Amino acid sequence: NAGVTQTPKFQVLKTGQSMTLQCAQDMNHNSMYWYRQDPGMGLRLIYYSASEGTTDKGEVPNGYNVSRLNKREFSLRLESAAPSQTSVYFCAVMRGRQPQHFGDGTRLSIL
Amino acid sequence: TQLLEQSPQFLSIQEGENLTVYCNSSSVFSSLQWYRQEPGEGPVLLVTVVTGGEVKKLKRLTFQFGDARKDSSLHITAAQPGDTGLYLCAGNDYKLSFGAGTTVTVRA
Repeated sequence: NAGVTQTPKFQVLKTGQSMTLQCAQDMNHNSMYWYRQDPGMGLRLIYYSASEGTTDKGEVPNGYNVSRLNKREFSLRLESAAPSQTSVYFCAVMRGRQPQHFGDGTRLSIL
Repeated sequence: TQLLEQSPQFLSIQEGENLTVYCNSSSVFSSLQWYRQEPGEGPVLLVTVVTGGEVKKLKRLTFQFGDARKDSSLHITAAQPGDTGLYLCAGNDYKLSFGAGTTVTVRA
């Protein structure tokens, strides 16, 4: 998706390893979001950042940390990966009440 | 617990048939959005509905927002194989709350 870039696209980790998922946007939006998507559960909000310098917990924050590095970048860190964190992770951006634009996702498998 | 309930979970129809997907909640939202997601990609916004009772049309797709702004429906007329995908509704209360989605398969 134009404007929201996620890296990496795929990753396999062993239980206990750490990992940082990167998200960058060139849309100049204030708000950035991290979701995870699991079969039958839709998208669940992990953390969000309403503006540069602020972060807040979403619905499922346990096991994750985030950093809003600047207006463009919002990273998601797994300090000690667990198999339950196997999922597809999406970064999204929103300006005010404007619709969210999503990246193409990071597919993460934890063995 | 899902804030938004979508039904049905799966839908498989023949090309040319009509279909309706429902999105229901006990909460009131300032707006509601519908997305379509294809395999390997992020969700793509189809429409935003804001006013209770609002009806929006996007070619063969008709979206309706309930009078009480708690529910919505998506109706596709004369479905085509290109309509295949995962349809997600999301309620907007500053941050989006998503339903679990409806997987639609249109057979040629």
